[in-house]
Amino acid sequence: EDKVVQSPLSLVVHEGDTVTLNCSYEVTNFRSLLWYKQEKKAPTFLFMLTSSGIEKKSGRLSSILDKKELFSILNITATQTGDSAVYLCDVVKGTYKYIFGTGTRLKVLA
Amino acid sequence: DGGITQSPKYLFRKEGQNVTLSCEQNLNHDAMYWYRQDPGQGLRLIYYSQIVNDFQKGDIAEGYSVSREKKESFPLTVTSAQKNPTAFYLCATGGTGNQPQHFGDGTRLSIL
Repeated sequence: EDKVVQSPLSLVVHEGDTVTLNCSYEVTNFRSLLWYKQEKKAPTFLFMLTSSGIEKKSGRLSSILDKKELFSILNITATQTGDSAVYLCDVVKGTYKYIFGTGTRLKVLA
Repeated sequence: DGGITQSPKYLFRKEGQNVTLSCEQNLNHDAMYWYRQDPGQGLRLIYYSQIVNDFQKGDIAEGYSVSREKKESFPLTVTSAQKNPTAFYLCATGGTGNQPQHFGDGTRLSIL
């Protein structure tokens, strides 16, 4: 059975801290791995990863995929209160199937 | 603007009642999806459709039904057989697996 596991489930940090969110997966016919940020409503897209070892960066956020060990990490440096959200890991299986993890709830305190 | 419109934002269901959640897109995407999200949980797939007049069950299809008569529209009916319908429902479109999904703003369904 396909599964996507995120850890930790929740995290509370102070502004300025660095956090690492983990996503491990066991999915047949893996195509790509996506990270989303969800605040109150619709998830917003952060990164798509298809190749191992290539870091994607956007400002203070970065992410990398390890297809041998079947995991990905999402790093956030110098966290701000606006980073408080649920971060979702999503593995694409084949052409049309998207499998989500349970999410990591991040709270950043001022 | 291109996007996905879900309506209504909030919906209340009485016991024994069927309710329908609307999802319309103007992104010209072939694939459309319905997800359910419970508090503190990720997204669980209810149904998806790759093309018009075709759809497949997801992981939690029991108590739900869909139709796909037009490319732009993918309504979800929550039937009275769904005993625990209180949740946040998200509609999404997707491409061919090498594209991120686009999401609507969701419908929050509660039982009266």
